[in-house]
Amino acid sequence: NAGVTQTPKFQVLKTGQSMTLQCAQDMNHNSMYWYRQDPGMGLRLIYYSASEGTTDKGEVPNGYNVSRLNKREFSLRLESAAPSQTSVYFCASSLPGQGNIQYFGAGTRLSVL
Amino acid sequence: LAKTTQPISMDSYEGQEVNITCSHNNIATNDYITWYQQFPSQGPRFIIQGYKTKVTNEVASLFIPADRKSSTLSLPRVSLSDTAVYYCLVGDMRDSGAGSYQLTFGKGTKLSVIP
Repeated sequence: NAGVTQTPKFQVLKTGQSMTLQCAQDMNHNSMYWYRQDPGMGLRLIYYSASEGTTDKGEVPNGYNVSRLNKREFSLRLESAAPSQTSVYFCASSLPGQGNIQYFGAGTRLSVL
Repeated sequence: LAKTTQPISMDSYEGQEVNITCSHNNIATNDYITWYQQFPSQGPRFIIQGYKTKVTNEVASLFIPADRKSSTLSLPRVSLSDTAVYYCLVGDMRDSGAGSYQLTFGKGTKLSVIP
Protein backbone atom coordinates (compact mmCIF):
# COMPACT_ATOMS: atom_id res chain seq x y z
CA ASN A 1 0.00 0.00 0.00
CA ALA A 2 1.91 3.05 -1.28
CA GLY A 3 -0.36 5.77 0.18
CA VAL A 4 0.37 9.11 -1.50
CA THR A 5 3.02 9.07 -4.21
CA GLN A 6 4.59 12.22 -5.61
CA THR A 7 6.82 12.56 -8.67
CA PRO A 8 9.40 13.81 -9.23
CA LYS A 9 11.24 13.96 -5.91
CA PHE A 10 13.58 16.70 -7.08
CA GLN A 11 13.44 19.21 -9.93
CA VAL A 12 15.47 22.19 -11.06
CA LEU A 13 13.89 24.66 -13.44
CA LYS A 14 14.98 27.86 -15.10
CA THR A 15 12.82 30.93 -14.74
CA GLY A 16 9.98 30.81 -17.24
CA GLN A 17 9.98 27.05 -17.72
CA SER A 18 6.87 25.03 -17.06
CA MET A 19 6.37 21.71 -15.36
CA THR A 20 3.75 19.49 -13.79
CA LEU A 21 4.05 17.87 -10.38
CA GLN A 22 2.24 14.57 -10.18
CA CYS A 23 0.39 13.09 -7.22
CA ALA A 24 -1.48 9.83 -6.89
CA GLN A 25 -3.15 8.14 -3.93
CA ASP A 26 -4.32 4.55 -3.61
CA MET A 27 -6.47 4.94 -0.50
CA ASN A 28 -9.72 5.75 -2.34
CA HIS A 29 -9.82 9.19 -0.74
CA ASN A 30 -12.17 11.81 -2.12
CA SER A 31 -10.26 14.93 -1.11
CA MET A 32 -6.77 15.86 -2.28
CA TYR A 33 -4.57 18.86 -1.54
CA TRP A 34 -1.42 20.65 -2.67
CA TYR A 35 0.72 22.53 -0.15
CA ARG A 36 4.02 24.35 -0.33
CA GLN A 37 6.50 24.62 2.51
CA ASP A 38 9.23 27.24 2.64
CA PRO A 39 12.23 27.08 5.01
CA GLY A 40 11.24 27.55 8.64
CA MET A 41 7.60 27.87 7.75
CA GLY A 42 4.52 25.77 8.13
CA LEU A 43 2.62 24.45 5.15
CA ARG A 44 0.46 26.73 3.05
CA LEU A 45 -2.42 25.40 0.98
CA ILE A 46 -2.21 26.09 -2.75
CA TYR A 47 -5.24 24.24 -4.13
CA TYR A 48 -7.52 21.48 -3.03
CA SER A 49 -10.03 19.15 -4.64
CA ALA A 50 -13.05 17.91 -2.76
CA SER A 51 -13.81 15.26 -5.35
CA GLU A 52 -13.14 14.26 -8.91
CA GLY A 53 -13.98 17.15 -11.20
CA THR A 54 -13.83 19.89 -8.57
CA THR A 55 -10.98 22.15 -7.53
CA ASP A 56 -10.77 25.22 -5.31
CA LYS A 57 -8.15 27.81 -4.47
CA GLY A 58 -6.35 27.72 -1.18
CA GLU A 59 -4.24 30.37 0.52
CA VAL A 60 -1.55 30.84 -2.17
CA PRO A 61 -2.91 29.83 -5.62
CA ASN A 62 -1.26 32.50 -7.80
CA GLY A 63 1.11 31.07 -10.39
CA TYR A 64 -0.32 27.56 -10.17
CA ASN A 65 -2.99 25.48 -11.88
CA VAL A 66 -4.31 22.08 -10.92
CA SER A 67 -6.10 19.17 -12.54
CA ARG A 68 -8.03 16.45 -10.77
CA LEU A 69 -7.58 13.87 -13.46
CA ASN A 70 -9.56 11.15 -11.68
CA LYS A 71 -10.17 10.06 -8.12
CA ARG A 72 -6.58 8.90 -7.71
CA GLU A 73 -4.60 11.69 -9.35
CA PHE A 74 -4.22 15.40 -8.65
CA SER A 75 -1.55 17.34 -10.55
CA LEU A 76 -0.06 20.77 -9.94
CA ARG A 77 1.23 22.81 -12.87
CA LEU A 78 3.59 25.74 -12.92
CA GLU A 79 3.06 27.49 -16.25
CA SER A 80 5.96 29.93 -15.99
CA ALA A 81 8.18 29.16 -13.04
CA ALA A 82 9.57 31.99 -10.92
CA PRO A 83 12.32 31.93 -8.27
CA SER A 84 9.64 32.68 -5.64
CA GLN A 85 8.20 29.25 -6.37
CA THR A 86 11.33 27.54 -5.08
CA SER A 87 9.90 25.39 -2.31
CA VAL A 88 9.02 21.90 -1.19
CA TYR A 89 5.63 20.81 -2.48
CA PHE A 90 3.47 18.29 -0.65
CA CYS A 91 0.40 16.50 -1.85
CA ALA A 92 -2.11 15.09 0.64
CA SER A 93 -5.43 13.27 0.67
CA SER A 94 -8.21 12.60 3.14
CA LEU A 95 -11.48 10.76 3.58
CA PRO A 96 -14.83 12.58 3.54
CA GLY A 97 -15.70 13.84 7.00
CA GLN A 98 -12.13 13.39 8.19
CA GLY A 99 -10.47 16.43 6.66
CA ASN A 100 -8.44 16.96 9.82
CA ILE A 101 -6.59 13.71 9.14
CA GLN A 102 -4.61 14.10 5.97
CA TYR A 103 -2.08 11.69 4.52
CA PHE A 104 0.93 13.32 2.95
CA GLY A 105 3.36 12.32 0.25
CA ALA A 106 7.13 12.58 0.61
CA GLY A 107 7.29 15.89 -1.23
CA THR A 108 8.87 17.38 -4.34
CA ARG A 109 11.83 19.71 -3.87
CA LEU A 110 11.71 22.34 -6.57
CA SER A 111 14.40 24.92 -7.29
CA VAL A 112 13.78 27.69 -9.80
CA LEU A 113 16.93 29.44 -10.92
CA LEU B 1 -10.07 28.64 11.67
CA ALA B 2 -8.89 28.94 15.25
CA LYS B 3 -5.44 30.45 15.74
CA THR B 4 -2.96 28.34 17.64
CA THR B 5 0.14 29.28 19.63
CA GLN B 6 2.86 26.81 20.54
CA PRO B 7 6.52 27.11 21.57
CA ILE B 8 8.96 27.52 18.71
CA SER B 9 11.39 24.93 20.07
CA MET B 10 12.01 22.51 22.93
CA ASP B 11 14.94 20.37 23.98
CA SER B 12 14.70 17.11 25.89
CA TYR B 13 17.00 14.29 26.92
CA GLU B 14 16.41 10.77 25.77
CA GLY B 15 14.09 8.79 28.01
CA GLN B 16 12.23 11.81 29.34
CA GLU B 17 8.56 12.55 28.89
CA VAL B 18 7.93 15.58 26.72
CA ASN B 19 4.86 17.77 26.94
CA ILE B 20 4.13 20.32 24.22
CA THR B 21 1.33 22.73 24.97
CA CYS B 22 -0.74 24.52 22.37
CA SER B 23 -3.02 27.48 23.08
CA HIS B 24 -6.20 27.94 21.07
CA ASN B 25 -8.30 30.50 22.92
CA ASN B 26 -10.90 30.98 20.18
CA ILE B 27 -11.65 27.33 19.58
CA ALA B 28 -15.20 26.77 18.32
CA THR B 29 -17.71 24.24 19.56
CA ASN B 30 -17.32 21.95 16.56
CA ASP B 31 -13.52 22.18 16.40
CA TYR B 32 -11.26 19.21 16.97
CA ILE B 33 -7.61 19.37 17.98
CA THR B 34 -5.17 17.52 15.76
CA TRP B 35 -1.41 17.04 16.04
CA TYR B 36 1.00 16.23 13.26
CA GLN B 37 4.68 15.26 13.30
CA GLN B 38 7.13 16.15 10.56
CA PHE B 39 10.60 14.71 10.19
CA PRO B 40 13.19 16.49 8.06
CA SER B 41 12.67 15.92 4.35
CA GLN B 42 9.32 14.19 4.89
CA GLY B 43 5.68 15.14 4.75
CA PRO B 44 3.70 15.67 7.97
CA ARG B 45 2.27 12.60 9.63
CA PHE B 46 -0.93 12.50 11.68
CA ILE B 47 -0.25 11.64 15.33
CA ILE B 48 -3.40 12.09 17.34
CA GLN B 49 -6.73 13.90 17.45
CA GLY B 50 -9.13 14.73 20.25
CA TYR B 51 -12.16 16.79 21.23
CA LYS B 52 -12.07 16.80 25.01
CA THR B 53 -10.49 15.10 28.05
CA LYS B 54 -7.78 12.60 27.18
CA VAL B 55 -6.93 10.55 24.14
CA THR B 56 -4.14 7.98 24.00
CA ASN B 57 -2.73 5.90 21.21
CA GLU B 58 0.43 3.92 20.65
CA VAL B 59 2.43 7.05 19.88
CA ALA B 60 1.23 9.80 22.22
CA SER B 61 -1.38 11.13 24.59
CA LEU B 62 -3.42 14.27 24.17
CA PHE B 63 -4.76 16.12 27.19
CA ILE B 64 -7.54 18.65 26.72
CA PRO B 65 -8.91 20.60 29.71
CA ALA B 66 -12.59 21.26 30.15
CA ASP B 67 -12.49 24.76 28.64
CA ARG B 68 -10.65 23.39 25.56
CA LYS B 69 -8.62 26.60 25.23
CA SER B 70 -5.39 24.66 25.25
CA SER B 71 -4.13 21.14 24.70
CA THR B 72 -0.99 19.23 25.61
CA LEU B 73 0.68 16.60 23.48
CA SER B 74 2.59 14.15 25.65
CA LEU B 75 5.33 11.93 24.25
CA PRO B 76 6.46 9.25 26.71
CA ARG B 77 10.14 8.41 27.02
CA VAL B 78 11.37 10.15 23.89
CA SER B 79 14.20 8.82 21.80
CA LEU B 80 16.47 10.46 19.24
CA SER B 81 14.04 9.39 16.53
CA ASP B 82 11.37 11.66 18.01
CA THR B 83 13.36 14.71 16.93
CA ALA B 84 10.91 16.47 14.62
CA VAL B 85 8.59 19.44 14.25
CA TYR B 86 5.21 19.03 15.92
CA TYR B 87 2.19 20.96 14.65
CA CYS B 88 -1.00 21.68 16.55
CA LEU B 89 -4.06 22.34 14.39
CA VAL B 90 -7.59 23.22 15.37
CA GLY B 91 -10.63 22.99 13.14
CA ASP B 92 -14.00 21.49 12.32
CA MET B 93 -13.53 17.93 11.14
CA ARG B 94 -16.82 17.91 9.33
CA ASP B 95 -16.84 18.47 5.61
CA SER B 96 -17.17 22.11 4.63
CA GLY B 97 -19.99 21.22 2.28
CA ALA B 98 -17.55 20.83 -0.55
CA GLY B 99 -16.24 17.67 1.04
CA SER B 100 -12.84 18.96 1.94
CA TYR B 101 -11.09 20.77 4.72
CA GLN B 102 -8.32 23.31 4.77
CA LEU B 103 -5.68 22.70 7.39
CA THR B 104 -3.70 25.67 8.66
CA PHE B 105 -0.20 24.77 9.73
CA GLY B 106 1.70 27.27 11.85
CA LYS B 107 5.44 27.06 12.36
CA GLY B 108 5.13 24.22 14.84
CA THR B 109 7.39 23.24 17.72
CA LYS B 110 10.81 21.93 16.85
CA LEU B 111 11.64 19.20 19.34
CA SER B 112 15.29 18.26 19.68
CA VAL B 113 16.08 15.10 21.63
CA ILE B 114 19.54 15.07 23.13
CA PRO B 115 21.47 11.84 23.85
